Amino acid sequence: GIQVEQSPPDLILQEGANSTLRCNFSDSVNNLQWFHQNPWGQLINLFYIPSGTKQNGRLSATTVATERYSLLYISSSQTTDSGVYFCAVRGSGNTGKLIFGQGTTLQVKP
Amino acid sequence: DGGITQSPKYLFRKEGQNVTLSCEQNLNHDAMYWYRQDPGQGLRLIYYSQIVNDFQKGDIAEGYSVSREKKESFPLTVTSAQKNPTAFYLCASSVQAYTEAFFGQGTRLTVV
Repeated sequence: GIQVEQSPPDLILQEGANSTLRCNFSDSVNNLQWFHQNPWGQLINLFYIPSGTKQNGRLSATTVATERYSLLYISSSQTTDSGVYFCAVRGSGNTGKLIFGQGTTLQVKP
Repeated sequence: DGGITQSPKYLFRKEGQNVTLSCEQNLNHDAMYWYRQDPGQGLRLIYYSQIVNDFQKGDIAEGYSVSREKKESFPLTVTSAQKNPTAFYLCASSVQAYTEAFFGQGTRLTVV
């Protein structure tokens, strides 16, 4: 099945710094999502981005489907950005499985 | 409010007992999913359903069962055959199988 790899696994930043999280996937996809898991465990939808670029406030994401990767940019990070960021994909030949990467754990220090 | 509701939030089970986790959505979504998350890990797919009265096994279906008798409901039963059931369980739904998925708040199951 399709493999999803996220990097880095852990990231520590000072408040105000910028960061880039990466998601590589092993096959063509027709769905890619970025999520933020808060300390209570809830998954918050950040982006639905099978291709192209989107921006939402301090966050933006780019997916280059032909090269099989996606990037999540966080600018001017805040302590509330802390948590785990997951990338999840559905393969183009698949009937519905949404496959998750192992996540990037972000800690933003004041 | 529209959304996905999981209950209970916390659940304790004695070894050898079956338990059922509830997932209800009022978003009129066709597709629903169950995931398991272990500490420090990503999410693994247990079962998914693309339409009422139909469901497919995910990657870790052994020891679990589901039903999809109504569009808005997709309960998950953790059976005594599941060897290590302590985990965080998340339910999700999407309009259709290929569209954006949304998650409930999860149920933390502990075997005591």
